[in-house]
Amino acid sequence: AQTVTQSQPEMSVQEAETVTLSCTYDTSENNYYLFWYKQPPSRQMILVIRQEAYKQQNATENRFSVNFQKAAKSFSLKISDSQLGDTAMYFCAFMKLGSNYKLTFGKGTLLTVNP
Amino acid sequence: IAGITQAPTSQILAAGRRMTLRCTQDMRHNAMYWYRQDLGLGLRLIHYSNTAGTTGKGEVPDGYSVSRANTDDFPLTLASAVPSQTSVYFCASRDFASGKSFFGPGTRLTVL
Repeated sequence: AQTVTQSQPEMSVQEAETVTLSCTYDTSENNYYLFWYKQPPSRQMILVIRQEAYKQQNATENRFSVNFQKAAKSFSLKISDSQLGDTAMYFCAFMKLGSNYKLTFGKGTLLTVNP
Repeated sequence: IAGITQAPTSQILAAGRRMTLRCTQDMRHNAMYWYRQDLGLGLRLIHYSNTAGTTGKGEVPDGYSVSRANTDDFPLTLASAVPSQTSVYFCASRDFASGKSFFGPGTRLTVL
């Protein structure tokens, strides 16, 4: 079974600064996807970024980028130029390819962006 | 508007009552999922369906049942609700091509 660990229950950052959220996972699989989801106070789950395990290049989406270290089983999220609207719970998630393609989530990191 | 709808938005339910949470998607995704979100535990899979007519058990299936009569609808039923089923329930569907999962807005259920 896969496990996903987010070791930072809460973090805070000043507006316009950069913050990195940590995520590690445990799996014996070789083919999988990793995701970061954002959940603002509205409760909606929003996909932030996706990384395919077979790709060495780190995924980037505008101000969001990841540091994917496959051997270390680490998948951190970097948010640059933090904005007040980035305040949310962030979940790291693992998807094994094949079978039911379910998502296994970490417990989340609550990020607060301060003005 | 393409996406996933869930109903009701929230519900307070007496223990022992039967309840069905509704989920509908219009993206024609084959795979659908039900997760529950509890504080400090993240989201956990209850049941899933890879395609219409098939269902499977997730991590926490006890006390819940699902059906998948067609591609669009994936209802979740609590046959006899208990207080431990108080949670926020999310329905999701997955796009095969991209591997991305899309979530509904959630249902907040309180069982008293």
